[in-house]
Amino acid sequence: DTGVSQDPRHKITKRGQNVTFRCDPISEHNRLYWYRQTLGQGPEFLTYFQNEAQLEKSRLLSDRFSAERPKGSFSTLEIQRTEQGDSAMYLCASSPPPGQGRLAVRYNEQFFGPGTRLTVL
Amino acid sequence: GQQLNQSPQSMFIQEGEDVSMNCTSSSIFNTWLWYKQDPGEGPVLLIALYKAGELTSNGRLTAQFGITRKDSFLNISASIPSDVGIYFCAGQLMYAGGTSYGKLTFGQGTILTVHP
Repeated sequence: DTGVSQDPRHKITKRGQNVTFRCDPISEHNRLYWYRQTLGQGPEFLTYFQNEAQLEKSRLLSDRFSAERPKGSFSTLEIQRTEQGDSAMYLCASSPPPGQGRLAVRYNEQFFGPGTRLTVL
Repeated sequence: GQQLNQSPQSMFIQEGEDVSMNCTSSSIFNTWLWYKQDPGEGPVLLIALYKAGELTSNGRLTAQFGITRKDSFLNISASIPSDVGIYFCAGQLMYAGGTSYGKLTFGQGTILTVHP
């Protein structure tokens, strides 16, 4: 299986700039998640897509953040007017749909990509 | 919001020793997952638990889903240097009607150092 991929792996930007990250989930996985992780902490949930529908958003996802998954495959996360507090690792994960053969008991498992490390100067 | 308390925060052990770490929650979870994360990388799934009382092994790793559905532990036997990393527990809530929305809540992590 090709795993979850994320691009870019690292992004350095100046405060006030916009940035966009991309996530390509594992093929056949219809659910996609974005998390944010700061140093010394576990990942925190940002948002969740099932196919192209965004079904849940965290309070952490301020108005400056927007996520899309237009065709139900890859997803993008955009941060507008970046702030220094946005510096973190942004992680994407995907899950298989339930009830499909050997994947039937694995639908709650989430497989993470390598992350995008954002530094806002 | 929901919180997972993971302990210990860090462990320093000798190669060959066994390791145990655990997570407790104030909420009931329907799924517990254990991940390992290396610096600069995303978490890698180690073990998934789906039923209260379930005990599951993956090589030298063993994890259990607590009977109360509010806790889980992970054991690593005969540790080796490549076990070094940060271990996270993660729980997934069961919402009304049995539907899980998919969001994972993570513990703070256990930093494991193995001395050869």
